[in-house]
Amino acid sequence: KAGVTQTPRYLIKTRGQQVTLSCSPISGHRSVSWYQQTPGQGLQFLFEYFSETQRNKGNFPGRFSGRQFSNSRSEMNVSTLELGDSALYLCASSLMGGMNTEAFFGQGTRLTVV
Amino acid sequence: QQQVKQSPQSLIVQKGGISIINCAYENTAFDYFPWYQQFPGKGPALLIAIRPDVSEKKEGRFTISFNKSAKQFSLHIMDSQPGDSATYFCAASWSGGGADGLTFGKGTHLIIQP
Repeated sequence: KAGVTQTPRYLIKTRGQQVTLSCSPISGHRSVSWYQQTPGQGLQFLFEYFSETQRNKGNFPGRFSGRQFSNSRSEMNVSTLELGDSALYLCASSLMGGMNTEAFFGQGTRLTVV
Repeated sequence: QQQVKQSPQSLIVQKGGISIINCAYENTAFDYFPWYQQFPGKGPALLIAIRPDVSEKKEGRFTISFNKSAKQFSLHIMDSQPGDSATYFCAASWSGGGADGLTFGKGTHLIIQP
């Protein structure tokens, strides 16, 4: 059974640009959550999608957005990139979602903003 | 944002010893407590999880101990091996979900010396 797949693995972007990250969940999983991981702040929740609807949202500015497609694949978009957006972005999938069910993480996308 | 406090920040244990990592939480609504293991360049991998209706859960060499009244839970790694060297994160969430998603501790960098 394939795990959670995130693409690309690495990205380098210039301040002010925008970026789109992709996540393919485990087959049959309908919930996709996104997290930002930095050395200073650790792992922080961005948002969760279930059946193409954003169900939960963390405390991040509106520059961070996402969407989910009918096949449960999800994309995350960051507009007007700032240096502080440099981080490892992790996607996690779970069967039915809800915040107290098993979540499986992908390897992440390492975003560097220069 | 509700916090989960994790200690120690780093830990060195001899091969064959017991590694103990502690976490404390504030939100009494939390009802799911997973532990994740992360190797460099990889996403966090779910190790073991517990719900507050039990005080202990064991899976192989990994045990979670849970103290509801003290709002604390801990991970014990028995017979620690060099392959256990990784960063460990405790987390917590609640059925209501909301803005926090999985709330993570800051992580413990564990080194098992051969």
